[in-house]
Amino acid sequence: QKEVEQNSGPLSVPEGAIASLNCTYSDRGSQSFFWYRQYSGKSPELIMFIYSNGDKEDGRFTAQLNKASQYVSLLIRDSQPSDSATYLCAVIETNFGNEKLTFGTGTRLTIIP
Amino acid sequence: EPEVTQTPSHQVTQMGQEVILRCVPISNHLYFYWYRQILGQKVEFLVSFYNNEISEKSEIFDDQFSVERPDGSNFTLKIRSTKLEDSAMYFCARRTGRNTEAFFGQGTRLTVV
Repeated sequence: QKEVEQNSGPLSVPEGAIASLNCTYSDRGSQSFFWYRQYSGKSPELIMFIYSNGDKEDGRFTAQLNKASQYVSLLIRDSQPSDSATYLCAVIETNFGNEKLTFGTGTRLTIIP
Repeated sequence: EPEVTQTPSHQVTQMGQEVILRCVPISNHLYFYWYRQILGQKVEFLVSFYNNEISEKSEIFDDQFSVERPDGSNFTLKIRSTKLEDSAMYFCARRTGRNTEAFFGQGTRLTVV
């Protein structure tokens, strides 16, 4: 069983600080990785998509990928109360050429004003 | 990127009844998925659909479930005889190709009573 692991939280961060979210995965063959934000009762909203080792920045968000360590993280700079949500890590798994996303359980993030 | 449209947004059905959930994707998307999320739990893969046929399905996707794209546009998930434990949010997702982002529809909340 291929696993995607996240700390379920809750993670509390003061407004304006950096929030750091972590994810590890078991399938060494995984090539593509996603971070989604999910507000309660809503669908996952894509925040970042990364497939190369290193950092990828988009506005206040930075994804970091280390395939050797099987680790992907998301940094949120200048955290805002509206960033309070559950953050889902997802990994592409390939099975006989078929791709699917496998999700972690999510980390609940609360930004404290 | 526009969202996939899912209908209905909420459906209440009696146990044992059939339900059909619909997803209207953008025409140039090739890969379609159904996921479900039971309240408070992780997002779970149900089935992937490529080139008008199922490419992979999970253990959850038993004989009670079926998918089709009857008119080349709408993508449907049918549950033949609903059980209480089918109550969940059901999400349709689509991708344009391999190694691309996956975007989710707004979801259908299914309540089985």
